[in-house]
Amino acid sequence: GEDVEQSLFLSVREGDSSVINCTYTDSSSTYLYWYKQEPGAGLQLLTYIFSNMDMKQDQRLTVLLNKKDKHLSLRIADTQTGDSAIYFCAETRLYGSGNTGKLIFGQGTTLQVKP
Amino acid sequence: DTGVSQNPRHKITKRGQNVTFRCDPISEHNRLYWYRQTLGQGPEFLTYFQNEAQLEKSRLLSDRFSAERPKGSFSTLEIQRTEQGDSAMYLCASRQTATEAFFGQGTRLTVV
Repeated sequence: GEDVEQSLFLSVREGDSSVINCTYTDSSSTYLYWYKQEPGAGLQLLTYIFSNMDMKQDQRLTVLLNKKDKHLSLRIADTQTGDSAIYFCAETRLYGSGNTGKLIFGQGTTLQVKP
Repeated sequence: DTGVSQNPRHKITKRGQNVTFRCDPISEHNRLYWYRQTLGQGPEFLTYFQNEAQLEKSRLLSDRFSAERPKGSFSTLEIQRTEQGDSAMYLCASRQTATEAFFGQGTRLTVV
């Protein structure tokens, strides 16, 4: 089945690293994504990782994928107050019959950054 | 490239009225998706278009909902006889490649 789970809340101090975790159940997932949503706004794509990769780094962001445990994490280095938002992980299957590339989202993790 | 554009940004309507939202995807993106997001939840898939063909509909999309993408460019989502439970953020996304899916700012619907 399809299910993506995230912890609901994370609070860190400015300058610390943040680690947001996600688990998924669909082993057929092709791509896994992290989106950021600020209040009242749409979703901003932060980064994504292909399912045959273990790690991807993009400036302050590091994505780790443990395919065996179906665990995905997003690490934000030197977290800033502007990083305060809701972070969603999502999975998709793009190949194979009937796969339309729709995204299956977790319920989101609210990141609070204290000055 | 101005990104995915959605209109209106906000809509307040009375229960029982019909509403229509519009999504303009990134040009040349052949895949277009509609999602619904309620407070405190992640977005949930509603429907998918590849060019002008609607290829998948979620069971969340009751028969009061209809979506079109007549020329494979912009798309509309109509809700007939709105109910309070329809109050949500409606998000549109488009993609061309197998990787990035880009979202618009959403239309927030409030049914009173």
